[in-house]
Amino acid sequence: AQSVAQPEDQVNVAEGNPLTVKCTYSVSGNPYLFWYVQYPNRGLQFLLKYITGDNLVKGSYGFEAEFNKSQTSFHLKKPSALVSDSALYFCAVRPEAGGYNKLIFGAGTRLAVHP
Amino acid sequence: DSGVTQTPKHLITATGQRVTLRCSPRSGDLSVYWYQQSLDQGLQFLIQYYNGEERAKGNILERFSAQQFPDLHSELNLSSLELGDSALYFCASSSFGGAPGANVLTFGAGSRLTVL
Repeated sequence: AQSVAQPEDQVNVAEGNPLTVKCTYSVSGNPYLFWYVQYPNRGLQFLLKYITGDNLVKGSYGFEAEFNKSQTSFHLKKPSALVSDSALYFCAVRPEAGGYNKLIFGAGTRLAVHP
Repeated sequence: DSGVTQTPKHLITATGQRVTLRCSPRSGDLSVYWYQQSLDQGLQFLIQYYNGEERAKGNILERFSAQQFPDLHSELNLSSLELGDSALYFCASSSFGGAPGANVLTFGAGSRLTVL
């Protein structure tokens, strides 16, 4: 079965420290991978995607993610966290074959950045 | 503003009632997706339309139905509402092809449904 796992319900980071939000996936073939962010009372905003090419993908707001095929992971990272990064982060996967862009989302990880 | 418009933003209704949620996709996007976000089940894919045709179906209840009209807007109809249907319903749209931004779902702000 196709699935996405975000093993941490919440990640706490001090402002200025690096942050990592973890994501692993289980799909057949070569998936398209995405990160979205959701601020309170807002819709999901696209951060970045991996389709092919360089394993390190850079996205919006200074975020980046590293694709690791052998570990089936796509962890979201940022070198220096800001309080304004506090939000709910979703990892998503689109199976390579079919689906017409349908995304399967992880359960979400709440990021709390403390001053 | 993402370009995806959802109405209404908030809706409060009673059990057993029927509601319709509306979505206008981003200009140029032919595909529309509906997702349900609830506290206990996270983001669940409901259904997808492409240029008026249903393309994929997820965990959509039989009490729920959707359609995409010739002008590409979509409506999600929820009937015989139950307390457990209270959730945030998101619409997203996407385009296809090799252009930058293609194959990325753009989400609306959502419609919050409360069933009392």
